[in-house]
Amino acid sequence: GAGVSQSPRYKVAKRGQDVALRCDPISGHVSLFWYQQALGQGPEFLTYFQNEAQLDKSGLPSDRFFAERPEGSVSTLKIQRTQQEDSAVYLCASSMLGGAPGELFFGEGSRLTVL
Amino acid sequence: GIQVEQSPPDLILQEGANSTLRCNFSDSVNNLQWFHQNPWGQLINLFYIPSGTKQNGRLSATTVATERYSLLYISSSQTTDSGVYFCAVEGSNDYKLSFGAGTTVTVRA
Repeated sequence: GAGVSQSPRYKVAKRGQDVALRCDPISGHVSLFWYQQALGQGPEFLTYFQNEAQLDKSGLPSDRFFAERPEGSVSTLKIQRTQQEDSAVYLCASSMLGGAPGELFFGEGSRLTVL
Repeated sequence: GIQVEQSPPDLILQEGANSTLRCNFSDSVNNLQWFHQNPWGQLINLFYIPSGTKQNGRLSATTVATERYSLLYISSSQTTDSGVYFCAVEGSNDYKLSFGAGTTVTVRA
């Protein structure tokens, strides 16, 4: 596609529910990142994929967070047993290069509200 | 990790005014990007500028990597320039962007 696509754009979950957020990166982009943005703050790194390999998951806040990119294109961020503090915008980004600096392009984000 | 500081945190402008936003970073960088976050939350790429100067219409940016800062200039501001501007850097020993806290710009008609 022309840009990074994320779905759903908005998700409301009851505390304790599991959610799955999808990211479709720019076609051919090697690197894929997930970021979390709390209200009024800058995005914070969650995890990084180079093709299908998850090379860094140091930013995932707890073991309730899990990400995958099984075929090296579409990625899913899963949050189990959601808590109110998980409420945030989840941003996905991709870049053409892997392991080297390159311009990063972001999707529109998925806004998660946990009640 | 690398630290990124943006100033000022908030900026109120009259339409037509010029302004300068600053980004300081704590270490050498391979990548620096400026983004504008629109009201719907999407991060719009403004500049990919690890060094040097670039211009795009009324916006321009300069990065002086040796002195660890970057500047974003907005000239003849318009109400559509309102929003949050983020600076993000990738350290030389890293591969991910680290973001500053942003500058919230409000342009009044």
